[in-house]
Amino acid sequence: NAGVTQTPKFRVLKTGQSMTLLCAQDMNHEYMYWYRQDPGMGLRLIHYSVGEGTTAKGEVPDGYNVSRLKKQNFLLGLESAAPSQTSVYFCATRGAGGSYEQYFGPGTRLTVT
Amino acid sequence: RKEVEQDPGPFNVPEGATVAFNCTYSNSASQSFFWYRQDCRKEPKLLMSVYSSGNEDGRFTAQLNRASQYISLLIRDSKLSDSATYLCVVNMDNYGQNFVFGPGTRLSVLP
Repeated sequence: NAGVTQTPKFRVLKTGQSMTLLCAQDMNHEYMYWYRQDPGMGLRLIHYSVGEGTTAKGEVPDGYNVSRLKKQNFLLGLESAAPSQTSVYFCATRGAGGSYEQYFGPGTRLTVT
Repeated sequence: RKEVEQDPGPFNVPEGATVAFNCTYSNSASQSFFWYRQDCRKEPKLLMSVYSSGNEDGRFTAQLNRASQYISLLIRDSKLSDSATYLCVVNMDNYGQNFVFGPGTRLSVLP
């Protein structure tokens, strides 16, 4: 089992370009999350999904869009990248049961110049 | 006040030492608390969940003080392999949807 995977692992964008980050899981988990991590700050929630076809905003949703068309995939889109979106992006999943343990992907390092 | 705050660190301790980290949270209604470990340039991984009055797992002990709204993590007999950043995480909505992470405390265990 691969667990939680993220593609790409690294990316450099120019300001104004767009891209999509893919998170895929084979754990059959209901919940999926997108976080960003910046130096000196905790992980901050961008968007999350409580099931296929649903999405909701987190703490820092501006400049990002998401989609969850299939249970196993959660996509994070940047329509017009800005230097402030330079960060490490982590996807996480968790099951619907009582355990709130989150399983994280390896991260995507994005630089916007 | 930030929602979740942690000791700023870094902590540099010799092997075999006991070290304690503290974390405070702002939402008194929060019910679920966690410690995650994050190695350099890696993803976070769950170290321990902290429920009710706390729990112990080998050399690691987590305590919860609801009255003062803080959580602690105690590591006994530190190993070189314990070197990492420790993240305090609080579920703010009690539905497992909104998790707030502290900035982390970095630990270096020295030989």
